[in-house]
Amino acid sequence: DIQMTQSPSSLSASVGDRVTITCRASQGIRDDLGWYQQKPGKAPKRLIYAASSLQSGVPSRFSGSASGTEFTLTISSLQPEDFATYYCLQHNSYPYTFGQGTKLEIK
Amino acid sequence: EVQLLESGGDLVQPGGSLRLACVASGFTFSSYAMSWVRQAPGKGLEWVSTISGSGSPTYYADSVRGRFTISRDNSKNTLYLQVNSLRAEDTAVYYCARVSVGYWGQGTLVTVSS
Repeated sequence: DIQMTQSPSSLSASVGDRVTITCRASQGIRDDLGWYQQKPGKAPKRLIYAASSLQSGVPSRFSGSASGTEFTLTISSLQPEDFATYYCLQHNSYPYTFGQGTKLEIK
Repeated sequence: EVQLLESGGDLVQPGGSLRLACVASGFTFSSYAMSWVRQAPGKGLEWVSTISGSGSPTYYADSVRGRFTISRDNSKNTLYLQVNSLRAEDTAVYYCARVSVGYWGQGTLVTVSS
Protein backbone atom coordinates (compact mmCIF):
# COMPACT_ATOMS: atom_id res chain seq x y z
CA ASP A 1 0.00 0.00 0.00
CA ILE A 2 1.10 3.57 -0.68
CA GLN A 3 1.50 5.67 2.46
CA MET A 4 0.92 9.41 2.29
CA THR A 5 2.80 11.33 4.98
CA GLN A 6 1.32 14.80 5.38
CA SER A 7 2.91 17.62 7.33
CA PRO A 8 2.40 19.58 9.42
CA SER A 9 -0.59 18.12 11.25
CA SER A 10 -1.56 21.61 12.41
CA LEU A 11 -0.55 25.11 11.52
CA SER A 12 -1.30 28.54 12.99
CA ALA A 13 -1.12 31.44 10.60
CA SER A 14 -2.44 34.94 10.06
CA VAL A 15 -4.52 36.47 7.29
CA GLY A 16 -2.16 37.40 4.48
CA ASP A 17 0.45 34.76 5.32
CA ARG A 18 1.87 32.34 2.78
CA VAL A 19 1.53 28.73 3.92
CA THR A 20 2.78 25.42 2.58
CA ILE A 21 1.51 21.91 3.29
CA THR A 22 3.41 18.84 2.13
CA CYS A 23 2.53 15.24 1.35
CA ARG A 24 5.18 12.65 0.71
CA ALA A 25 4.28 9.39 -1.00
CA SER A 26 6.00 6.16 -0.02
CA GLN A 27 6.46 5.31 -3.71
CA GLY A 28 5.92 6.91 -7.07
CA ILE A 29 2.37 7.96 -7.88
CA ARG A 30 3.02 10.03 -11.02
CA ASP A 31 0.75 13.06 -10.66
CA ASP A 32 -2.25 11.11 -9.36
CA LEU A 33 -2.77 13.38 -6.38
CA GLY A 34 -5.43 15.82 -5.32
CA TRP A 35 -5.68 18.37 -2.54
CA TYR A 36 -8.92 18.83 -0.61
CA GLN A 37 -10.22 21.46 1.78
CA GLN A 38 -12.78 20.50 4.40
CA LYS A 39 -14.72 22.75 6.73
CA PRO A 40 -16.59 21.46 9.79
CA GLY A 41 -19.76 19.57 8.93
CA LYS A 42 -19.13 19.82 5.19
CA ALA A 43 -17.98 17.46 2.49
CA PRO A 44 -14.40 17.81 1.24
CA LYS A 45 -13.90 20.17 -1.67
CA ARG A 46 -11.18 19.48 -4.22
CA LEU A 47 -8.82 22.39 -4.81
CA ILE A 48 -6.07 20.85 -6.93
CA TYR A 49 -6.06 17.83 -9.24
CA ALA A 50 -3.24 16.08 -11.08
CA ALA A 51 -0.87 17.49 -8.46
CA SER A 52 -0.76 21.01 -9.89
CA SER A 53 -3.96 21.82 -11.79
CA LEU A 54 -6.39 24.26 -10.23
CA GLN A 55 -9.96 23.01 -9.94
CA SER A 56 -12.45 25.24 -11.74
CA GLY A 57 -13.77 27.99 -9.49
CA VAL A 58 -10.98 27.74 -6.93
CA PRO A 59 -9.14 31.01 -6.21
CA SER A 60 -5.72 31.37 -7.79
CA ARG A 61 -4.06 31.88 -4.41
CA PHE A 62 -4.12 28.07 -4.16
CA SER A 63 -1.44 26.19 -6.07
CA GLY A 64 0.07 22.73 -6.14
CA SER A 65 3.44 21.42 -7.13
CA ALA A 66 5.30 18.14 -7.25
CA SER A 67 8.89 16.99 -7.09
CA GLY A 68 9.30 13.24 -7.31
CA THR A 69 7.24 11.80 -4.48
CA GLU A 70 6.85 15.09 -2.62
CA PHE A 71 3.74 17.17 -3.23
CA THR A 72 3.06 20.66 -1.97
CA LEU A 73 -0.04 22.78 -1.55
CA THR A 74 0.64 26.49 -1.24
CA ILE A 75 -1.76 29.24 -0.25
CA SER A 76 -0.11 32.46 -1.31
CA SER A 77 -2.07 34.90 0.88
CA LEU A 78 -4.38 33.44 3.48
CA GLN A 79 -7.94 34.67 3.57
CA PRO A 80 -10.36 34.24 6.49
CA GLU A 81 -12.33 31.60 4.60
CA ASP A 82 -9.22 29.43 4.14
CA PHE A 83 -9.06 28.33 7.76
CA ALA A 84 -10.03 24.68 7.46
CA THR A 85 -8.52 21.20 7.32
CA TYR A 86 -6.59 20.12 4.23
CA TYR A 87 -5.99 16.60 2.93
CA CYS A 88 -4.04 15.08 0.09
CA LEU A 89 -5.34 11.98 -1.70
CA GLN A 90 -3.41 9.60 -3.94
CA HIS A 91 -5.49 7.74 -6.52
CA ASN A 92 -2.67 6.07 -8.39
CA SER A 93 -3.31 2.61 -7.02
CA TYR A 94 -5.63 0.80 -4.66
CA PRO A 95 -6.10 1.21 -1.82
CA TYR A 96 -6.44 4.95 -2.35
CA THR A 97 -4.87 6.74 0.59
CA PHE A 98 -5.29 10.13 2.21
CA GLY A 99 -2.78 12.13 4.15
CA GLN A 100 -3.52 12.52 7.84
CA GLY A 101 -4.77 16.08 7.39
CA THR A 102 -3.50 19.56 8.26
CA LYS A 103 -5.65 21.77 10.44
CA LEU A 104 -5.04 25.39 9.55
CA GLU A 105 -5.95 27.71 12.40
CA ILE A 106 -5.99 31.44 12.90
CA LYS A 107 -3.05 32.80 14.86
CA GLU B 1 -25.19 20.31 -12.46
CA VAL B 2 -23.68 17.20 -10.89
CA GLN B 3 -25.41 15.96 -7.74
CA LEU B 4 -24.67 13.00 -5.50
CA LEU B 5 -27.27 12.34 -2.82
CA GLU B 6 -26.58 9.71 -0.18
CA SER B 7 -29.16 8.05 2.04
CA GLY B 8 -29.56 5.04 4.30
CA GLY B 9 -27.49 6.02 7.29
CA ASP B 10 -28.94 5.15 10.68
CA LEU B 11 -28.25 4.05 14.24
CA VAL B 12 -27.60 0.32 14.25
CA GLN B 13 -26.46 -2.18 16.84
CA PRO B 14 -23.08 -3.92 16.63
CA GLY B 15 -23.34 -6.85 14.26
CA GLY B 16 -26.14 -5.19 12.33
CA SER B 17 -26.48 -4.29 8.66
CA LEU B 18 -27.46 -1.36 6.49
CA ARG B 19 -27.61 -0.54 2.81
CA LEU B 20 -26.40 2.90 1.85
CA ALA B 21 -27.46 4.43 -1.45
CA CYS B 22 -26.20 7.32 -3.56
CA VAL B 23 -28.30 8.71 -6.38
CA ALA B 24 -26.31 10.49 -9.05
CA SER B 25 -27.42 13.08 -11.58
CA GLY B 26 -25.86 15.49 -14.03
CA PHE B 27 -23.48 13.08 -15.75
CA THR B 28 -23.49 9.73 -17.56
CA PHE B 29 -23.37 7.57 -14.44
CA SER B 30 -22.56 4.28 -16.15
CA SER B 31 -19.38 5.67 -17.70
CA TYR B 32 -17.53 6.35 -14.47
CA ALA B 33 -16.05 4.57 -11.49
CA MET B 34 -17.60 5.55 -8.19
CA SER B 35 -16.28 5.34 -4.66
CA TRP B 36 -17.27 5.41 -1.02
CA VAL B 37 -15.14 7.35 1.48
CA ARG B 38 -15.83 7.61 5.20
CA GLN B 39 -14.90 9.86 8.07
CA ALA B 40 -15.19 8.84 11.70
CA PRO B 41 -16.15 11.62 14.13
CA GLY B 42 -13.22 13.97 14.60
CA LYS B 43 -10.96 11.84 12.39
CA GLY B 44 -9.51 11.98 8.91
CA LEU B 45 -10.80 10.67 5.60
CA GLU B 46 -10.62 6.96 4.77
CA TRP B 47 -11.21 5.46 1.34
CA VAL B 48 -13.57 2.48 1.63
CA SER B 49 -14.33 1.05 -1.80
CA THR B 50 -14.48 1.73 -5.55
CA ILE B 51 -16.48 0.13 -8.35
CA SER B 52 -15.90 0.50 -12.08
CA GLY B 53 -18.55 1.93 -14.37
CA SER B 54 -19.61 -1.52 -15.54
CA GLY B 55 -19.78 -2.93 -12.02
CA SER B 56 -16.61 -4.97 -12.18
CA PRO B 57 -13.93 -4.85 -10.93
CA THR B 58 -14.43 -3.69 -7.35
CA TYR B 59 -11.86 -2.71 -4.74
CA TYR B 60 -12.00 -2.57 -0.94
CA ALA B 61 -10.03 -1.30 2.00
CA ASP B 62 -8.67 -4.09 4.17
CA SER B 63 -10.72 -2.75 7.09
CA VAL B 64 -14.01 -3.56 5.34
CA ARG B 65 -13.21 -6.39 2.93
CA GLY B 66 -15.54 -9.34 3.50
CA ARG B 67 -18.08 -7.22 5.42
CA PHE B 68 -18.97 -4.46 2.93
CA THR B 69 -20.16 -4.89 -0.66
CA ILE B 70 -20.21 -2.13 -3.25
CA SER B 71 -22.60 -2.35 -6.18
CA ARG B 72 -24.41 -0.15 -8.65
CA ASP B 73 -27.59 -0.06 -10.71
CA ASN B 74 -26.80 1.96 -13.80
CA SER B 75 -30.46 1.94 -14.88
CA LYS B 76 -31.27 3.85 -11.70
CA ASN B 77 -28.08 5.98 -11.55
CA THR B 78 -27.56 4.61 -8.07
CA LEU B 79 -24.51 3.44 -6.15
CA TYR B 80 -24.89 1.16 -3.13
CA LEU B 81 -22.84 0.05 -0.17
CA GLN B 82 -24.11 -2.96 1.75
CA VAL B 83 -22.53 -2.84 5.19
CA ASN B 84 -22.72 -5.99 7.31
CA SER B 85 -21.27 -7.15 10.64
CA LEU B 86 -21.01 -3.55 11.75
CA ARG B 87 -18.58 -2.57 14.47
CA ALA B 88 -18.28 0.53 16.64
CA GLU B 89 -15.29 1.60 14.57
CA ASP B 90 -17.48 1.74 11.45
CA THR B 91 -19.27 4.76 12.94
CA ALA B 92 -18.69 7.52 10.41
CA VAL B 93 -20.13 9.81 7.79
CA TYR B 94 -20.10 7.89 4.52
CA TYR B 95 -19.59 9.91 1.35
CA CYS B 96 -20.06 8.76 -2.20
CA ALA B 97 -17.66 10.33 -4.63
CA ARG B 98 -16.50 10.41 -8.20
CA VAL B 99 -12.89 10.77 -7.16
CA SER B 100 -11.45 11.36 -10.63
CA VAL B 101 -13.16 14.74 -10.92
CA GLY B 102 -13.64 15.61 -7.27
CA TYR B 103 -17.42 15.29 -7.03
CA TRP B 104 -18.63 14.38 -3.55
CA GLY B 105 -22.02 14.00 -1.94
CA GLN B 106 -22.90 15.51 1.42
CA GLY B 107 -22.67 12.21 3.27
CA THR B 108 -24.87 9.96 5.37
CA LEU B 109 -24.17 9.15 9.01
CA VAL B 110 -23.85 5.58 10.21
CA THR B 111 -23.74 5.13 13.98
CA VAL B 112 -22.97 1.73 15.44
CA SER B 113 -23.90 1.53 19.09
CA SER B 114 -25.87 -0.59 21.51
